[in-house]
Amino acid sequence: AQTVTQSQPEMSVQEAETVTLSCTYDTSENNYYLFWYKQPPSRQMILVIRQEAYKQQNATENRFSVNFQKAAKSFSLKISDSQLGDTAMYFCASHTNAGKSTFGDGTTLTVKP
Amino acid sequence: NAGVTQTPKFQVLKTGQSMTLQCAQDMNHEYMSWYRQDPGMGLRLIHYSVGAGITDQGEVPNGYNVSRSTTEDFPLRLLSAAPSQTSVYFCASSYMGDTQYFGPGTRLTVL
Repeated sequence: AQTVTQSQPEMSVQEAETVTLSCTYDTSENNYYLFWYKQPPSRQMILVIRQEAYKQQNATENRFSVNFQKAAKSFSLKISDSQLGDTAMYFCASHTNAGKSTFGDGTTLTVKP
Repeated sequence: NAGVTQTPKFQVLKTGQSMTLQCAQDMNHEYMSWYRQDPGMGLRLIHYSVGAGITDQGEVPNGYNVSRSTTEDFPLRLLSAAPSQTSVYFCASSYMGDTQYFGPGTRLTVL
């Protein structure tokens, strides 16, 4: 069974500052991917960043980066230079090659001007 | 390239009615999934498929049926709608479990 836990239901950050969203997971699979998705008020699910579990190097995507600690089963998201458009709900997720996916309950991020 | 499409966008049902939510993708993805999202919560997996003719249950399968006769289509059937099935439903597809591409969602209300 897979579980994904996001312990911060809500967070806020000032524009241009840095914020880190936490995620822990558990899985018995050897082959899996980890993701952060963003869901703005439009409800469309948008990929923020992905990490292949067999790669030790942390993924980065412009202002977004992750801290992937495989042994600790931790996968946090760092957003640098926060922008008003980053205001959204953020979901951490685990996908396996077997087809099953598990999502956390989300963190609502508000970027304040 | 339309990506993942879902119809309808909105639906209101009465308790006991049945209906089918449609999902189609044009990216030739083998993997497809159905999720429901209740207010303030994350996505919960209902059913998933790793190819035509192959389906399996997710976390919350009761009250729903799926079939996968083609790679492109993955319809979700509500057998006898209940108020507890009021939710937003998302369909997604992916290549071998990698990044999921989501449809725009269907908002379902069961009275």
